[in-house]
Amino acid sequence: KAGVTQTPRYLIKTRGQQVTLSCSPISGHRSVSWYQQTPGQGLQFLFEYFSETQRNKGNFPGRFSGRQFSNSRSEMNVSTLELGDSALYLCASSGQGALYGYTFGSGTRLTVV
Amino acid sequence: EDQVTQSPEALRLQEGESSSLNCSYTVSGLRGLFWYRQDPGKGPEFLFTLYSAGEEKEKERLKATLTKKESFLHITAPKPEDSATYLCAVPPQGGSQGNLIFGKGTKLSVKP
Repeated sequence: KAGVTQTPRYLIKTRGQQVTLSCSPISGHRSVSWYQQTPGQGLQFLFEYFSETQRNKGNFPGRFSGRQFSNSRSEMNVSTLELGDSALYLCASSGQGALYGYTFGSGTRLTVV
Repeated sequence: EDQVTQSPEALRLQEGESSSLNCSYTVSGLRGLFWYRQDPGKGPEFLFTLYSAGEEKEKERLKATLTKKESFLHITAPKPEDSATYLCAVPPQGGSQGNLIFGKGTKLSVKP
């Protein structure tokens, strides 16, 4: 059974550019969440989607946006990149609720220069 | 403010030396406490969910327990392969389990 797939694994972007990250959840999973992980702040919640609807949004500026498609795949977009956006972006999916937790992908490492 | 605090930040153990990691939380109406393990360069791996004070769950050398204010992850006779960062997380008050507040983690190193 394939896990959560995130692409690309690594990205280097320049300040002011925008970036789109992709997440393919485990087949059958309809809930997708995104997190940002940095050494200083740890894991911080970005968005949660269920059946194409955003259920929750974390405390991030409007430059961070996301969406979920009918096949449950999800994308997040960051516009006007800043140096502080450099982080590991993690996607997690769940289809069975809390009993089995959320399964995380390996993340996309974004470096803004 | 809903918060999760883990201690210690780092822990070094000799192989076979048992110890405990702590996770304290301040959230009303707890809707689950989650433990994850994260290896370098990888996403967190789910370990346990605990719901009620007094609940315990075990997996190999790990046992997680829950009280009304904190959770402990007990590691019995650890091996070098148990080296990782251990994270705990809770949903915020009124939040869902897809929206978690994570602690900063405890980095565990087990030396042979």
